[in-house]
Amino acid sequence: QPVLTQPPSASASLGASVTLTCTLSSGYSNYKVDWYQQRPGKGPRFVMRVGTGGIVGSKGDGIPDRFSVLGSGLNRYLTINNIQEEDESDYHCGTDYGSGSNFVYVFGTGTKVTVL
Amino acid sequence: QVQLVQSGSELKKPGASVKVSCKASGYTFTTQAMIWLRQAPGQGLEWMGWITTNTGNPTYAQGFRGRFVFSLDTSVSTAYLQISSLKAEDTAVYYCARFSMVQGVIVGIGNWGQGTLVTVSS
Repeated sequence: QPVLTQPPSASASLGASVTLTCTLSSGYSNYKVDWYQQRPGKGPRFVMRVGTGGIVGSKGDGIPDRFSVLGSGLNRYLTINNIQEEDESDYHCGTDYGSGSNFVYVFGTGTKVTVL
Repeated sequence: QVQLVQSGSELKKPGASVKVSCKASGYTFTTQAMIWLRQAPGQGLEWMGWITTNTGNPTYAQGFRGRFVFSLDTSVSTAYLQISSLKAEDTAVYYCARFSMVQGVIVGIGNWGQGTLVTVSS
């Protein structure tokens, strides 16, 4: 099954941009990845799904336009433009694998985003 | 709109059992599986497995077989997670959730419960 790798932290100054990376393990370059935002003390919420062609489907409810995604090779990117204080969160990526009784959903370890 | 409302925080002693509930509303409960996830303090999200809500068939991820049981009461659109023989390392927030589907294809985990903190301490 795929392994997803995320850097533990990222930061950006208020109003700047930050790009988060989720890297799939070798052999899984055609997999789509889901991004989730988790604000401090809150549950996760779906941001959007990304493949090599970019966004797949729609953004999650209430996700601002400043959030965008790209995919290239094994990497799936989430970019936050004009970052705001409320964007300070943990960001998790995940992907589904397999079918039937072998179905699993795999997460990266998450990236903590700090707004300076 | 879809809502998943979980039961409140629990404080349990090692060796005890706990049952977490997840009440669904805003959709037909038996049309989509309920999934369960765990998040230990300061850690990432962990896939625990799912239960089909039309047949009640559970599937458990590795590491969650034996002490963890998923169940349903379809009459009240509620899913349950029971953990027996609790250990300190079971201390975590447990989430119920539901995949978003488009034409039968999963497009992410679109709906989450608010989470239930289970603390295991003597």
